[in-house]
Amino acid sequence: GENVEQHPSTLSVQEGDSAVIKCTYSDSASNYFPWYKQELGKRPQLIIDIRSNVGEKKDQRIAVTLNKTAKHFSLHITETQPEDSAVYFCAASGGGSQGNLIFGKGTKLSVKP
Amino acid sequence: GAVVSQHPSRVICKSGTSVKIECRSLDFQATTMFWYRQFPKQSLMLMATSNEGSKATYEQGVEKDKFLINHASLTLSTLTVTSAHPEDSSFYICSASSGQAYNSPLHFGNGTRLTVT
Repeated sequence: GENVEQHPSTLSVQEGDSAVIKCTYSDSASNYFPWYKQELGKRPQLIIDIRSNVGEKKDQRIAVTLNKTAKHFSLHITETQPEDSAVYFCAASGGGSQGNLIFGKGTKLSVKP
Repeated sequence: GAVVSQHPSRVICKSGTSVKIECRSLDFQATTMFWYRQFPKQSLMLMATSNEGSKATYEQGVEKDKFLINHASLTLSTLTVTSAHPEDSSFYICSASSGQAYNSPLHFGNGTRLTVT
């Protein structure tokens, strides 16, 4: 089955700097890769997603890149702000079924003012 | 946007009792809902897939007789933790898709913090 590795587990940056979180997946059949932001004790919220027919997607300060050959995808946050501090999870659709998302272990991002 | 309502947000129960958690899609019909479990500082683990009008599909290692799932309508799925024990204490989250495509975004409920004493 699908296995998703996420790095780093913790990331601390200065306000205004960029943050990059990387994930790798094992199932070449996976074709949907969402990223979620979860604040403490709250539900995960979708911040951006990418499908396998696209190599890059951008939404304001957030961008995601996908390398299907290498089976890895990354989240890029530019001009970080303190409110970006949260845990970020990457996920990959397992076996082509969107519902069967396999999540990475999460990255705790801290943005210092 | 699509809203998923989950209740209760917090519940404390005694060991041996059962707890029911509800997950509702408020402004869309969800043929399929998903239940996850999240331990502190860990990732979300899919427990089961709930299909309206049929039996839930459980992930390997999840006891179907302990975690009863009912999906009685297109807008409601329930998870009942039966004979709860302290090790069942966790954060339970449901999700549903608002789209028809298999890769439509998932919308999560706010989660239920279960504490078994």
